[in-house]
Amino acid sequence: EAGVAQSPRYKIIEKRQSVAFWCNPISGHATLYWYQQILGQGPKLLIQFQNNGVVDDSQLPKDRFSAERLKGVDSTLKIQPAKLEDSAVYLCASSWREGPDEQFFGPGTRLTVL
Amino acid sequence: KQEVTQIPAALSVPEGENLVLNCSFTDSAIYNLQWFRQDPGKGLTSLLLIQSSQREQTSGRLNASLDKSSGRSTLYIAASQPGDSATYLCAVRGNTGKLIFGQGTTLQVKP
Repeated sequence: EAGVAQSPRYKIIEKRQSVAFWCNPISGHATLYWYQQILGQGPKLLIQFQNNGVVDDSQLPKDRFSAERLKGVDSTLKIQPAKLEDSAVYLCASSWREGPDEQFFGPGTRLTVL
Repeated sequence: KQEVTQIPAALSVPEGENLVLNCSFTDSAIYNLQWFRQDPGKGLTSLLLIQSSQREQTSGRLNASLDKSSGRSTLYIAASQPGDSATYLCAVRGNTGKLIFGQGTTLQVKP
């Protein structure tokens, strides 16, 4: 069974530029999560999708971050414009469904904003 | 609001030692608790998942315990090896599936 795929693995941009990350969850998983992990901290949930609907985006900075999950499969996370404090690893995870099901994580995308 | 704290933030031990990593959480209304391992530059690997009705889980040299009423979990690593060097993250799961993570304990096992 293929795991959660993410791309790119690394990205370096200058502040005020835009960037997009892509995630392909495990086949059949209905729930998809995006987490932000700042260096030295644990991951923090940005947004949770159930199929193509948003379940929780309470910690997503909506003035600059957006995410979509078209057709309930792949997802993209966009930052526009980026700030220095957005430098972090962006982790995507998926699970069969909402609730207590185990989440499986992708390798992450490391973003550096200069 | 759920908060998860891990102590210590960093730990260095000689190879072969048994060690305990601690995790505490403020709200006992959790579905389960999960311990993860994270190697530098990599994603998260699940180590152990303890359901709220369970007291402990074991996998090889790892044993995790859960005391929901006191808001505590421990991860016990027996006979540590240099390959165990990594950051260990504790996370609690609420009823929507959202994981709340601690800040992690970075472990170094010296040969």
